[in-house]
Amino acid sequence: QKEVEQNSGPLSVPEGAIASLNCTYSDRGSQSFFWYRQYSGKSPELIMSIYSNGDKEDGRFTAQLNKASQYVSLLIRDSQPSDSATYLCAGNTGGFKTIFGAGTRLFVKA
Amino acid sequence: GAVVSQHPSRVICKSGTSVKIECRSLDFQATTMFWYRQFPKQSLMLMATSNEGSKATYEQGVEKDKFLINHASLTLSTLTVTSAHPEDSSFYICSARVGRELETQYFGPGTRLLVL
Repeated sequence: QKEVEQNSGPLSVPEGAIASLNCTYSDRGSQSFFWYRQYSGKSPELIMSIYSNGDKEDGRFTAQLNKASQYVSLLIRDSQPSDSATYLCAGNTGGFKTIFGAGTRLFVKA
Repeated sequence: GAVVSQHPSRVICKSGTSVKIECRSLDFQATTMFWYRQFPKQSLMLMATSNEGSKATYEQGVEKDKFLINHASLTLSTLTVTSAHPEDSSFYICSARVGRELETQYFGPGTRLLVL
């Protein structure tokens, strides 16, 4: 069973702090990874995609991929209350199926 | 990013009736569309994968005769919940993908189904 694992949280951080969300995956054949944000009652929206080892930055968001450790993370700098949501990690397997983690709930306290 | 629409956004129906949900990719052609179901405070559950012009592939435990999927074109997929029951009440979300391995899934806004 190919899996993507996330800590369900909730992760609580104060406004302005860095939020660090982590994810591990079991399929070494996975080539591409994604972070989605899902607000309560809404569908997921794409934040970042990452395909290569290392860091990828987009505004306040930085995705990190370490294929050797089968580890993906998302850092949110200068966290805002509006960042409070569930963050889903996902990976495309060698069979072209996307496997989603269960999500980590993030609370940013004002 | 790519835009995916769903219709209707919300539907209430009586037990035993059938409900059709449409998913459209508005500004790109989707080779593959996915249907998910999400119960409150739970994670996304993939129901089926559909490729244009071929039969959908259903996940284990999903009844293909109850959840009919038609992917008639590269921009439209439909999910029909047949003989709906209260336990089918859920948030149904479609997504669309252009390519295969590296390409991203773009999600529709979801359809909230309530079966009375």
